[in-house]
Amino acid sequence: DTEVTQTPKHLVMGMTNKKSLKCEQHMGHRAMYWYKQKAKKPPELMFVYSYEKLSINESVPSRFSPECPNSSLLNLHLHALQPEDSALYLCASSGQGTDTQYFGPGTRLTVL
Amino acid sequence: KNQVEQSPQSLIILEGKNCTLQCNYTVSPFSNLRWYKQDTGRGPVSLTIMTFSENTKSNGRYTATLDADTKQSSLHITASQLSDSASYICVVSAYAGKSTFGDGTTLTVKP
Repeated sequence: DTEVTQTPKHLVMGMTNKKSLKCEQHMGHRAMYWYKQKAKKPPELMFVYSYEKLSINESVPSRFSPECPNSSLLNLHLHALQPEDSALYLCASSGQGTDTQYFGPGTRLTVL
Repeated sequence: KNQVEQSPQSLIILEGKNCTLQCNYTVSPFSNLRWYKQDTGRGPVSLTIMTFSENTKSNGRYTATLDADTKQSSLHITASQLSDSASYICVVSAYAGKSTFGDGTTLTVKP
């Protein structure tokens, strides 16, 4: 199974809402990533988890809160987002830090 | 500063034609270079991955080349199909470091 799954596919939320994005992989990968991608731009790295511990936080605002409950799951908790946070949020996993990253299909987030 | 530059920014070709996309990088110390295909609104899908010692890697109609001396890579698409219309992203990783993404090349294949 070389699939990374993400839920939901689409999410519309208001600026006062709290929501969560979920990501799951069953490839035994120990590195998992969150990316944000705006239209016609490459993915921008947000967070990296290595062996279930946060290893990289690219100065992401605290309204984004990642969580890695176990080696297969990665969550991104959202609170008090701004309209400019609307984007495609991608999850990825890899076997080692620089191995091929397998991406999920993404969650299209719209903040009203 | 690690950088990855891709050219052209966009490309339009007719179905059945070949094309070549370019990627120049200044990532150091070099670990590997990957080409991804990303359909609109979808996650990137890996096409090839090459390490320092590999010059060429093929995946069906996609052939990637790597010149580690000049720090250049190319992705050649043979006999293009309408389904090849997508963004192609070059990603270069450094040892014990992060991956650097290029801005991508948007390919449109017209019938």
